[in-house]
Amino acid sequence: DGGITQSPKYLFRKEGQNVTLSCEQNLNHDAMYWYRQDPGQGLRLIYYSQIVNDFQKGDIAEGYSVSREKKESFPLTVTSAQKNPTAFYLCASSDYRHNYLDTEAFFGQGTRLTVV
Amino acid sequence: AQSVTQPDIHITVSEGASLELRCNYSYGATPYLFWYVQSPGQGLQLLLKYFSGDTLVQGIKGFEAEFKRSQSSFNLRKPSVHWSDAAEYFCAVAGGSGNTPLVFGKGTRLSVIA
Repeated sequence: DGGITQSPKYLFRKEGQNVTLSCEQNLNHDAMYWYRQDPGQGLRLIYYSQIVNDFQKGDIAEGYSVSREKKESFPLTVTSAQKNPTAFYLCASSDYRHNYLDTEAFFGQGTRLTVV
Repeated sequence: AQSVTQPDIHITVSEGASLELRCNYSYGATPYLFWYVQSPGQGLQLLLKYFSGDTLVQGIKGFEAEFKRSQSSFNLRKPSVHWSDAAEYFCAVAGGSGNTPLVFGKGTRLSVIA
């Protein structure tokens, strides 16, 4: 089955430790995204990548880092510089079409990160 | 920059009643508009999308939405709500072309009572 896989589903870390969240897609999509979700805040964009070896900061990139070495993978590292890392993290990917129509973002099942 | 406002944080409807969830967007050109649904602890599932053409868009699970440019709105509707529709609903807008990131509203939580 094609789709987006985020792992792990639940993650616990001690304060001050870096942690990496995995996101893999087998949809052959060019673009991938990371969003953070907090209660009552909707989804806020952390980073996105439209092509391998390139990525852009979103609205709340501070304290996060990403890489895009392969088309299928877009891991997110939550660093110790992130002031409030406990949240639900969602990864998405989308298909790029030259006519810019009929595109949509597909989401993974999310990773709930708790920092204690 | 584009933005999305969902004025209702929480809505409660009776099973079998009609539903309308409001969404207002801000974007200078013709936007790409989406409605997603999220069950607790899960990812988002696309209900429907609008790019151009017919302003009334049909989606999955019996949902529809109407794009009104004059009101900058893209409200989601369902004629008869089922208990399984209880979830959080997000409206999103994408500007420009191709793979530009979605900008989401803060969501509306729908509760369904018997």
